[in-house]
Amino acid sequence: EPEVTQTPSHQVTQMGQEVILRCVPISNHLYFYWYRQILGQKVEFLVSFYNNEISEKSEIFDDQFSVERPDGSNFTLKIRSTKLEDSAMYFCASRDFYQETQYFGPGTRLLVL
Amino acid sequence: RKEVEQDPGPFNVPEGATVAFNCTYSNSASQSFFWYRQDCRKEPKLLMSVYSSGNEDGRFTAQLNRASQYISLLIRDSKLSDSATYLCVVNNYGQNFVFGPGTRLSVLP
Repeated sequence: EPEVTQTPSHQVTQMGQEVILRCVPISNHLYFYWYRQILGQKVEFLVSFYNNEISEKSEIFDDQFSVERPDGSNFTLKIRSTKLEDSAMYFCASRDFYQETQYFGPGTRLLVL
Repeated sequence: RKEVEQDPGPFNVPEGATVAFNCTYSNSASQSFFWYRQDCRKEPKLLMSVYSSGNEDGRFTAQLNRASQYISLLIRDSKLSDSATYLCVVNNYGQNFVFGPGTRLSVLP
């Protein structure tokens, strides 16, 4: 069964450093998403991406965040200058054109020190 | 008012019990509804979509009441493997998912 994959599974970084989180969505999916989940809290939407552009973003997704689809398979989330409060699990999700069900990757656990 | 609210939990039930989860949402224009389950430190996984007519998948039954903006999930004959956090998820305008805070279920032997 096709699945969303994410790398790395864990990342530890120093405050102020840039991080890039990588995702490979399911191959025939056209809509891509990033969510985050701070430990003990609910899953929160960050950004959605379709047709090579951002279609919606939340208040969390400020100028420190960016997304890119550098090739036909990868979808990345960049945090330019990490803050302590960026520590969270980051989930990538994707869906196809016809169904609204989103499929989630296993997540990247980011720890900012 | 929070967009999606759920029973606070946790629910601790014995094996074989029937357990019901409730969820309410605030946006009357919400279009589609789901129950996901999330195991500790894992990704959300789709349990079932929720349709207006109600739907059943084995031991799981989901109901939607659009007038009351209310969604429910019933688990019958609960198993140890049902222990997880159950997430009520609402989709607005086909874009982002809005997650509830989740209700944790522990099924005890």
